[in-house]
Amino acid sequence: KQEVTQIPAALSVPEGENLVLNCSFTDSAIYNLQWFRQDPGKGLTSLLLIQSSQREQTSGRLNASLDKSSGRSTLYIAASQPGDSATYLCAVLVTGGGNKLTFGTGTQLKVEL
Amino acid sequence: EAGVVQSPRYKIIEKKQPVAFWCNPISGHNTLYWYLQNLGQGPELLIRYENEEAVDDSQLPKDRFSAERLKGVDSTLKIQPAELGDSAVYLCASSQGPADTQYFGPGTRLTVL
Repeated sequence: KQEVTQIPAALSVPEGENLVLNCSFTDSAIYNLQWFRQDPGKGLTSLLLIQSSQREQTSGRLNASLDKSSGRSTLYIAASQPGDSATYLCAVLVTGGGNKLTFGTGTQLKVEL
Repeated sequence: EAGVVQSPRYKIIEKKQPVAFWCNPISGHNTLYWYLQNLGQGPELLIRYENEEAVDDSQLPKDRFSAERLKGVDSTLKIQPAELGDSAVYLCASSQGPADTQYFGPGTRLTVL
């Protein structure tokens, strides 16, 4: 059974700091990995999707890397802003047995002024 | 273009009462998902539809939960009767195909008293 772990569970940083969120998964036979953002009381917003054949994806101040063999992904946020405050979830898609997306429990990020 | 639409946004019911949630996916998205999210946890898949066919309902508690997507567009998730432990956020998502980026609705927050 695929298990996804995110560390840390919560993080508080001052504005302007660069930060890294970590995600690990137990089964490396994944199709892709996605990073989502969730604001309080809202649904999830997809940030980046990395195919299993890719090493990284970038969007603006966000960079996600994938090391499938070691079962790890990182989300790098450059020059953090208070508007980045949210919960960040990673999820892996496994296609064997029917395309199931398994989520981690998330990292709750607070960027302070 | 409109995103995934869910209603109601909030629902408070007493235990043993029935409740239904509605979802309208992004136009053209063949795959529709219902997830359950408990506080502080990542979403967990309840059921996935490809057009009108339920292709993965292994996590759906079939004794009390049911879902339908009759015309392959919008979908309804029903709980009857509701239990205290059903209090959670119910998220709907859609994607073009089963391995594509999933787009989430805002969710329905259910409170069972």
